[in-house]
Amino acid sequence: AQKVTQAQTEISVVEKEDVTLDCVYETRDTTYYLFWYKQPPSGELVFLIRRNSFDEQNEISGRYSWNFQKSTSSFNFTITASQVVDSAVYFCALSEAGWRGYQKVTFGIGTKLQVIP
Amino acid sequence: DGGITQSPKYLFRKEGQNVTLSCEQNLNHDAMYWYRQDPGQGLRLIYYSQIVNDFQKGDIAEGYSVSREKKESFPLTVTSAQKNPTAFYLCASSPGQNSPLHFGNGTRLTVT
Repeated sequence: AQKVTQAQTEISVVEKEDVTLDCVYETRDTTYYLFWYKQPPSGELVFLIRRNSFDEQNEISGRYSWNFQKSTSSFNFTITASQVVDSAVYFCALSEAGWRGYQKVTFGIGTKLQVIP
Repeated sequence: DGGITQSPKYLFRKEGQNVTLSCEQNLNHDAMYWYRQDPGQGLRLIYYSQIVNDFQKGDIAEGYSVSREKKESFPLTVTSAQKNPTAFYLCASSPGQNSPLHFGNGTRLTVT
């Protein structure tokens, strides 16, 4: 069975500090996809990034960067020079092909990030 | 703009009453999903649907029912059989397998 672990339930940082959110996953499939979503206080989850299991290249998008390591089954997310607007709950998710081609997505419990001005 | 609309944003019901949460999308996505979010438990899958008139139980389907009579609509009914219905409910859709999910703004249901 697939599983996503986000060990950090809450993190507080002071504005402009760097912060890394950890994500460890378990799966028996060789083909899978990993995602990060952001949930601001408004409630709607917003897609941030998708990475497939064959692409271990790290990615940077502005202040955001992602480190995917299959050897440790981790897909960590770093925010550089954090800002108050980064305050949100961040979810890591794992997607596998399910029954009859359905997409089965498993979410971690989320990490609540608070950026203090 | 395309998106997913969930209504209402807040819903209050008395214990023992069934209640239906609305989810409409104009993204032309085939797949739709219902998740429940509780503090400290992340998102748990209730039901999902790939096509009209077809849907499957997720991990916590007991006490819930759905229908998919139109591609755009995927309403969720929380029945009186659901032991602990108070939660935040999120509807999502997807254009295809392994694509990112698009989420609505959610409905916060309180049952007293």
